[in-house]
Amino acid sequence: AQTVTQSQPEMSVQEAETVTLSCTYDTSENNYYLFWYKQPPSRQMILVIRQEAYKQQNATENRFSVNFQKAAKSFSLKISDSQLGDTAMYFCAFVDMNRDDKIIFGKGTRLHILP
Amino acid sequence: NAGVTQTPKFRILKIGQSMTLQCTQDMNHNYMYWYRQDPGMGLKLIYYSVGAGITDKGEVPNGYNVSRSTTEDFPLRLELAAPSQTSVYFCASRTGAVNTEAFFGQGTRLTVV
Repeated sequence: AQTVTQSQPEMSVQEAETVTLSCTYDTSENNYYLFWYKQPPSRQMILVIRQEAYKQQNATENRFSVNFQKAAKSFSLKISDSQLGDTAMYFCAFVDMNRDDKIIFGKGTRLHILP
Repeated sequence: NAGVTQTPKFRILKIGQSMTLQCTQDMNHNYMYWYRQDPGMGLKLIYYSVGAGITDKGEVPNGYNVSRSTTEDFPLRLELAAPSQTSVYFCASRTGAVNTEAFFGQGTRLTVV
């Protein structure tokens, strides 16, 4: 079965620092997509960034970037110049191209940005 | 754009009561999902649907039922509510293309007492 593991249940960093959230996944498939979602205290889930498995270039969205290591099945999220508004729960998610009806989520990492 | 709309936002049920959580999306998405999120925890898939008339169980379907009579609507029915069903419930939808993100509703906080 495909699984997504986020090994850091909770993290805290000072404002303006850089933080990296870990995500590993398990699949025997070669073509898939990976996503990071953010859930702030408002509960609204928001897409942060997505990565196509067949693209070697790491995706970036402003202060958010990923380190995608396909062979290691690792998909970490780096947040640069962290801001108070980055305080949220972050979920890593996986969609298999052959089973695109299913989204597999990790258990989440709760990130606190400290002033 | 309304996106994914869930009602109600909050509800308190007594043990044994039943209710329906409503979910509507206006993006013509084929795929729709129901998740529950227990305090401080991740998302658990209850049921999902890949189109009108088609539904399938997720990892925690017991105690719930769904229907998908239209593309827009995907209601979740709780029969005989139990304290273990106290949770926040999220509805989500996607187009079905593999690279597309899921859009989530604001969630329904349900307490069973």
